[in-house]
Amino acid sequence: DQQVKQNSPSLSVQEGRISILNCDYTNSMFDYFLWYKKYPAEGPTFLISISSIKDKNEDGRFTVFLNKSAKHLSLHIVPSQPGDSAVYFCAASERDQGGKLIFGQGTELSVKP
Amino acid sequence: GAVVSQHPSRVICKSGTSVKIECRSLDFQATTMFWYRQFPKQSLMLMATSNEGSKATYEQGVEKDKFLINHASLTLSTLTVTSAHPEDSSFYICSVQGSNYGYTFGSGTRLTVV
Repeated sequence: DQQVKQNSPSLSVQEGRISILNCDYTNSMFDYFLWYKKYPAEGPTFLISISSIKDKNEDGRFTVFLNKSAKHLSLHIVPSQPGDSAVYFCAASERDQGGKLIFGQGTELSVKP
Repeated sequence: GAVVSQHPSRVICKSGTSVKIECRSLDFQATTMFWYRQFPKQSLMLMATSNEGSKATYEQGVEKDKFLINHASLTLSTLTVTSAHPEDSSFYICSVQGSNYGYTFGSGTRLTVV
């Protein structure tokens, strides 16, 4: 039972354009969502998070949108840069259930010059 | 967030031997750490929650006698893969839940069992 899903295994974007990575979840009890960037053979690096009481959080080029009714969140990167090329994971948790993170399958983003 | 050190970064061991992986929280006293496993091209799967001074909580399907977790201090959790088999070959990553509900991950350990 995959509680967090990233249905696009890969995404290719031109440098300077917007990258939109999508994530869906099934557990309505999730109240905290995070996005991580990961390179092969390295640990994930935190990018941005959002609480379920918000519908948008912005940090520089990264914006996360949360649609609770649709159980959907997305990460927007604008403008995209070649250095953004990596695998992006969304993760979700129930904060009063020990804080463990449930990850999606990841989306490999390739930003072409 | 917390600074997390994971060691070793890669290890090759013979089938049937045991391997210990260390996860250290360098600047934060972590009562809770998490252990994940990632197979190639797949998601990070939570294996267990490591609790300082008490038994770890294992996720469904994870053998607690095979994956021994010890969290004896607020700065160190260890994962020991016992009687390793080739199918245990994977990328193991620890995580520390720091203050302000932030999570920091170690750099991971690539285990290859031959």
